[in-house]
Amino acid sequence: AQSVTQPDIHITVSEGASLELRCNYSYGATPYLFWYVQSPGQGLQLLLKYFSGDTLVQGIKGFEAEFKRSQSSFNLRKPSVHWSDAAEYFCAVSLPNTGNQFYFGTGTSLTVIP
Amino acid sequence: NAGVTQTPKFQVLKTGQSMTLQCAQDMNHEYMSWYRQDPGMGLRLIHYSVGAGITDQGEVPNGYNVSRSTTEDFPLRLLSAAPSQTSVYFCASTRPGTSGTDTQYFGPGTRLTVL
Repeated sequence: AQSVTQPDIHITVSEGASLELRCNYSYGATPYLFWYVQSPGQGLQLLLKYFSGDTLVQGIKGFEAEFKRSQSSFNLRKPSVHWSDAAEYFCAVSLPNTGNQFYFGTGTSLTVIP
Repeated sequence: NAGVTQTPKFQVLKTGQSMTLQCAQDMNHEYMSWYRQDPGMGLRLIHYSVGAGITDQGEVPNGYNVSRSTTEDFPLRLLSAAPSQTSVYFCASTRPGTSGTDTQYFGPGTRLTVL
C-alpha cells in the first residue's frame, strides 16, 4: 500500500544539538517531497521541498533534507536546534500528475530542552 | 494578500446538525483541498478541486460535500454531523507548478467539536 511513514512519534533534543527526523515513503514512482512544520494551534508552514535535481535541499530556518532514492527516504536535518524549533513536523508527498493530492505522515513532535 | 482564510475558527455542533466550513484564497490558485487532522494520524485528504466546477474525493470523503463555483472559494459541508467528525480542518491551495504540483498554502484551521 502507498504510504508515508514517520517512525518517530516524539523526539527530545537539547538546545544546540543536531536533529534528524526520518521520513520514508512507499510509492511506485518518485513523488514530490515536502516537509512542513506546525506550531501549536497554528496552520502548516512549508520548510522545504524536493521535486528533482540536487538531492540535498535547503529550506527555511536552517533546515535541510536529503532525498535518497535507494532508501525511499527524505530525512530532515538541522545542525543546531533552537528552542523555537519545538513543534510538530510533517513529511508529505505529492504524486506527479495527480492534481494536488498530498499525503502526509503522522508527524513527529519535537521537544527542545535547555 | 490574505492568503488562505477559513471561517469559523471554532465551532461546536450537536449530532445531526449540518454546517458549512468556509475557505477562500486570494492567490488565484487553481487547486484547493480540504484536510482533517486527528491526533496521531497526520492530515488526511477529504476532498480536492483542480479548478472551478471540478471536485474529487480524497482519502476520507464520507459525510462531507464540496463544491467549487469560483476559483476563490471552496466550502466544505457537513451534511449530518457525527462525533467522529470532531477534528481540526485545514483548507489548502496551490497552483500547478512547472514540475507538477507546487507548494500548498494552508489556512489557519477550523476546530470542530461534535457533541
